[in-house]
Amino acid sequence: DADVTQTPRNRITKTGKRIMLECSQTKGHDRMYWYRQDPGLGLRLIYYSFDVKDINKGEISDGYSVSRQAQAKFSLSLESAIPNQTALYFCATSDYTYTLAGLAWEQFFGPGTRLTVL
Amino acid sequence: AQKITQTQPGMFVQEKEAVTLDCTYDTSDQSYGLFWYKQPSSGEMIFLIYQGSYDEQNATEGRYSLNFQKARKSANLVISASQLGDSAMYFCAMREDSLILTGGGNKLTFGTGTQLKVEL
Repeated sequence: DADVTQTPRNRITKTGKRIMLECSQTKGHDRMYWYRQDPGLGLRLIYYSFDVKDINKGEISDGYSVSRQAQAKFSLSLESAIPNQTALYFCATSDYTYTLAGLAWEQFFGPGTRLTVL
Repeated sequence: AQKITQTQPGMFVQEKEAVTLDCTYDTSDQSYGLFWYKQPSSGEMIFLIYQGSYDEQNATEGRYSLNFQKARKSANLVISASQLGDSAMYFCAMREDSLILTGGGNKLTFGTGTQLKVEL
């Protein structure tokens, strides 16, 4: 089973509709992120959360909101979708872990959600 | 200035040959981390390799190695013995640890990617 899952994987919607993208993880990580990817621009951060009580805006948060329902769940909402929000959306988790070699950094991405706003 | 610069929009390599994908970065942090991800046409982001700024040895993971030149601020990915399945978009990314204190939260800053095509 995938460690970071996203639903839906694909979604087509119309301008003005409310859309929720969901992310779940079994990594046990406290830190979760939402990124969007546009062609030629790499990934850009929308929101991030250090734990269920900590939500922070990223560089492109306008038009989006998030909810951290539990350590394992982080949802992204588009309150009123517009065509320029058409993109590939990724959820990610990260944390430091202790290994035999010392402190290591882990960051993992979900499979992505392709959202098209008509 | 761009935080992460990938100057090769597209690269071609013959199967079984080695290829180097370039990445330069810009940070004033002493503590940071550098990542490479592979994105095949299916869209998922696959973690390949990680280099911490204090790691003295270049990171290696199977056929992937990271040529880390700290003074030059470069973190090039080397793929040895290329395979057809290596054809994908490759992204370099950076985590700046000072952002933890200023609200950036360990986010990754990505480059614009390099599209690699492995040919027979």
